[in-house]
Amino acid sequence: AQTVTQSQPEMSVQEAETVTLSCTYDTSESDYYLFWYKQPPSRQMILVIRQEAYKQQNATENRFSVNFQKAAKSFSLKISDSQLGDAAMYFCALPHGGATNKLIFGTGTLLAVQP
Amino acid sequence: DARVTQTPRDKVTEMGQEVTMRCQPILGHNTVFWYRQTMMQGLELLAYFRNRAPLDDSGMPKDRFSAEMPDATLATLKIQPSEPRDSAVYFCASGFENTEAFFGQGTRLTVV
Repeated sequence: AQTVTQSQPEMSVQEAETVTLSCTYDTSESDYYLFWYKQPPSRQMILVIRQEAYKQQNATENRFSVNFQKAAKSFSLKISDSQLGDAAMYFCALPHGGATNKLIFGTGTLLAVQP
Repeated sequence: DARVTQTPRDKVTEMGQEVTMRCQPILGHNTVFWYRQTMMQGLELLAYFRNRAPLDDSGMPKDRFSAEMPDATLATLKIQPSEPRDSAVYFCASGFENTEAFFGQGTRLTVV
């Protein structure tokens, strides 16, 4: 069975600093995607970044980057130069059942950004 | 500005009443999902449609929940009769083939 684990229920970071959110997963698939979604207080689920498992290069989107370790089944999110608007719940997600956009989610990490 | 539209945004209803939540997927998307978010269970997949056909509704309580896509521009999730334990935020998401899913703003349902 596919699983996604986020072991940090809450994290805090100072504005302009860097923070890393952890995610581990388990899957029997050999080729798959991994996603990080952000949910601010408005409750909208926003896609932050995605990684294709067959690509060795870590994905980057502006201040957001991932550290993807396929053998260890680890997929962490690094936020650089943290901004107040980054405060949100962050979810790691893994597709399952053969459909890339049919997702199972981790339990989330609540990120607070201190001014 | 393409987006998934869900209505209503918030709904309060009495136990036993029927509740219908609606979703307009992004034009051109052929996959639609319904998720439920609660504090206890997190985000759970309830139903999955591809080209309007239901492919997976194993996460949905069959006795009271039903999901349909009357046409490509409308997906509905109905609860009849509603119960307090159904209180949650219900998200609709759409995508095209195997690309990433885009989420609506959700419907917060409160059953009293």
